[in-house]
Amino acid sequence: DAKTTQPNSMESNEEEPVHLPCNHSTISGTDYIHWYRQLPSQGPEYVIHGLTSNVNNRMASLAIAEDRKSSTLILHRATLRDAAVYYCILRDVWRDDKIIFGKGTRLHILP
Amino acid sequence: EPEVTQTPSHQVTQMGQEVILRCVPISNHLYFYWYRQILGQKVEFLVSFYNNEISEKSEIFDDQFSVERPDGSNFTLKIRSTKLEDSAMYFCASRREYSGNTIYFGEGSWLTVV
Repeated sequence: DAKTTQPNSMESNEEEPVHLPCNHSTISGTDYIHWYRQLPSQGPEYVIHGLTSNVNNRMASLAIAEDRKSSTLILHRATLRDAAVYYCILRDVWRDDKIIFGKGTRLHILP
Repeated sequence: EPEVTQTPSHQVTQMGQEVILRCVPISNHLYFYWYRQILGQKVEFLVSFYNNEISEKSEIFDDQFSVERPDGSNFTLKIRSTKLEDSAMYFCASRREYSGNTIYFGEGSWLTVV
């Protein structure tokens, strides 16, 4: 898997938007950008993924830079339940079966 | 929404004992995985399994580990002779047919070796 770089931790206030950045300067043309999160004492959970265009789902939005070398996961209105470790992961859909997790970003939500 | 279920949620075992962790993947999924997470560390890949055989394994997955899909629904991870350093949360995961599909994880089995 290609390498991603994320901040170790971030803080945000409850009910405010959160922008979680990820750098992936060595991304290849067939790498999808995946985001997973791990709530305390739980297994990793899929959040969203995309290739080139921005993506929205019920959990979050994914903004992908035009050169695809960075992306941002956007939580539109953070709740206390969104406190988790967020992982940005590149997966080549033709080669990568498994997911390799990095350290991710630990997101703290302040009430 | 379908879930990956794991049992037991927590097991304490003596060093040197055999442990079997069980998983029921999502029913129409064909690819299965085990991961582990030592307390305070990253989630680490152990093994992937497809078509009744191991498709890939990590360096962690040595001869003490084995996996099996004995009856078409359960997927098990066996540790033959547990060591203290096997204490970790073990996650089972599964996905559907083609590469790139979302991988779904279970809630984990916490193994404590004493």
